[in-house]
Amino acid sequence: DQQVKQNSPSLSVQEGRISILNCDYTNSMFDYFLWYKKYPAEGPTFLISISSIKDKNEDGRFTVFLNKSAKHLSLHIVPSQPGDSAVYFCAARGYSGTYKYIFGTGTRLKVLA
Amino acid sequence: KAGVTQTPRYLIKTRGQQVTLSCSPISGHRSVSWYQQTPGQGLQFLFEYFSETQRNKGNFPGRFSGRQFSNSRSEMNVSTLELGDSALYLCASSMGSNNEQFFGPGTRLTVL
Repeated sequence: DQQVKQNSPSLSVQEGRISILNCDYTNSMFDYFLWYKKYPAEGPTFLISISSIKDKNEDGRFTVFLNKSAKHLSLHIVPSQPGDSAVYFCAARGYSGTYKYIFGTGTRLKVLA
Repeated sequence: KAGVTQTPRYLIKTRGQQVTLSCSPISGHRSVSWYQQTPGQGLQFLFEYFSETQRNKGNFPGRFSGRQFSNSRSEMNVSTLELGDSALYLCASSMGSNNEQFFGPGTRLTVL
């Protein structure tokens, strides 16, 4: 039972345009959401996060939006650059005695020059 | 500050064998989590250790086990390897389980 889903396995975007990566979750008790970026042969690196009490968080070219009623979050990258080409994972934090992170299956973003 | 290190980076084993993977967390981090990454499955949580105690466990068979030492270094062991165990095994460290996780580069395990 996948509690965090990224339904698009891949996405191609032209350089300079907006990239929108989507993530859906099923557990309304998740209180914190994160996006990680992963290059080949490297571990995931933290990109941006958002608390469940907010609906938007911005950091430079990256913005994460959270729609709690739809149980949906999205990552916007504007403008997209070739160096953004990577696999992006969304993750949600849940608590059941201790905190635990549930990851999505990832979306491979390709930014075309 | 040195990042999370994992050894070995690559490993080839045959079915039925066992394997031990090692993870050294960032200095000062006491929580170490292990994940399995396979194509199409994302990062599947294996277990988390904090101060030498397993605090959380994912839905993996008992063939997967781990431990943490007093210096916070952690090892993961997989016994009786199966072809389906071929994956990238990632280790992540954090100050505590409610803090941001920092990942190592992973160990690529191939089971033949």
